[in-house]
Amino acid sequence: TQLLEQSPQFLSIQEGENLTVYCNSSSVFSSLQWYRQEPGEGPVLLVTVVTGGEVKKLKRLTFQFGDARKDSSLHITAAQPGDTGLYLCAGARGYKYIFGTGTRLKVLA
Amino acid sequence: DVKVTQSSRYLVKRTGEKVFLECVQDMDHENMFWYRQDPGLGLRLIYFSYDVKMKEKGDIPEGYSVSREKKERFSLILESASTNQTSMYLCASSLPQGARGYEQYFGPGTRLTVT
Repeated sequence: TQLLEQSPQFLSIQEGENLTVYCNSSSVFSSLQWYRQEPGEGPVLLVTVVTGGEVKKLKRLTFQFGDARKDSSLHITAAQPGDTGLYLCAGARGYKYIFGTGTRLKVLA
Repeated sequence: DVKVTQSSRYLVKRTGEKVFLECVQDMDHENMFWYRQDPGLGLRLIYFSYDVKMKEKGDIPEGYSVSREKKERFSLILESASTNQTSMYLCASSLPQGARGYEQYFGPGTRLTVT
C-alpha cells in the first residue's frame, strides 16, 4: 500500500503558467520533504516542513504542510523550463522517510 | 559539497548471478541508505545503516543484503539476481536525525537490468 499519493502523475505546461502539485496521505507525518530529481541524477532536497500549516517559499516555489500534517502542496509560479523534473514528496515516520509516487513535470519553452 | 558516488551507472547481469552495488560518501555521514526506484512507485527503502556494521531492514529487504565495514562505504548485495530486481538503485547518506528530520544526499543511481 502506497502511503503517499501524488497528483497529478504527469504535467506538461507552457512556460509562464502556474501549477500546483499535491501530496496526500491518510497517515500523519512528523515532517515532510520535497525533492526534485533531474534525468540521470539522484533527488535533491528542496525543502523540509515540520509544523502543521507551515508555509515555506523558495523563490517561485511555495510549499505548504497541511494543518493535520497528512498532506502537502507545492505551487510553482511562472514556471520555467529549468523547473522540468520529477518532484517527490517524502514523509517522516520514525527513522524512515516514505516517498510519494512522484509528479513528472515538463515545462515547454 | 557532499558527494555520494555509486560504482556503476549501468549494469547488466544474468538471472542467478551475485551482484554487488557499491556506494561511497565523502562527508563522514553516519547514516546510509539503499533505495530502489520504479515508475509510479516512488523510492522504496531496502536497507538503512546508522553506523559501521549496523543495519536495519527497510520496506523491501527480501532478496537483498548489505554490508558496511567502513563508515564511508555501503554495499548492496543481490545474492541471486532475478528479473524482478531490474530497477534503478539509489544510495543516499545523511547526518543523524535532528529537530527538522534529516537531509538525504543521493548518488546518481545505478540502473540494473537482470536478463
